[in-house]
Amino acid sequence: SQQGEEDPQALSIQEGENATMNCSYKTSINNLQWYRQNSGRGLVHLILIRSNEREKHSGRLRVTLDTSKKSSSLLITASRAADTASYFCAPNFGNEKLTFGTGTRLTIIP
Amino acid sequence: IAGITQAPTSQILAAGRRMTLRCTQDMRHNAMYWYRQDLGLGLRLIHYSNTAGTTGKGEVPDGYSVSRANTDDFPLTLASAVPSQTSVYFCASPCTSGSRDEQFFGPGTRLTVL
Repeated sequence: SQQGEEDPQALSIQEGENATMNCSYKTSINNLQWYRQNSGRGLVHLILIRSNEREKHSGRLRVTLDTSKKSSSLLITASRAADTASYFCAPNFGNEKLTFGTGTRLTIIP
Repeated sequence: IAGITQAPTSQILAAGRRMTLRCTQDMRHNAMYWYRQDLGLGLRLIHYSNTAGTTGKGEVPDGYSVSRANTDDFPLTLASAVPSQTSVYFCASPCTSGSRDEQFFGPGTRLTVL
């Protein structure tokens, strides 16, 4: 099925370090979105990057998109304990119905 | 503005019982979706509705039904619950107006079928 696949499945880093998560997909996209899910909560939209964009920033978040490799990365700089969550990428193939992978579970160690 | 609300927050249900999970949005979005989230499987789309009066099947529709009588409400019904339907259920709705193109999620309903 069409969906993004996040890598790694789990990541643990020290507070203050940078965290990088990757996403791969298989067919052409209109845009790609990243979401965060805190334990027991619904997903929250973080950032959207369109297919004609290569990089986008929002606060401590930096997203890159390489359409030739069908991949995206999410970088969280200067991580904080509150960044502990699961992160999902959602490629938008143009039919509005986003599909989600299993996510990357990020743990920030104080 | 509440966004998307879901009820109940959690429920324990005996197998074979009928159950309706409620979802209401106040954003006047056209489309609404139901996902289930299971450990190791991510979120899977159950049913969707692109506009009031229409519904469609997602990836895992069996055992579930939906209706969309109006823009705001999108209930999900389990006609005869089975233990494999134990999951966390999320209702979601995308905003596609202007430059926004993000999906809003409800807080989820944790359902346990015994």
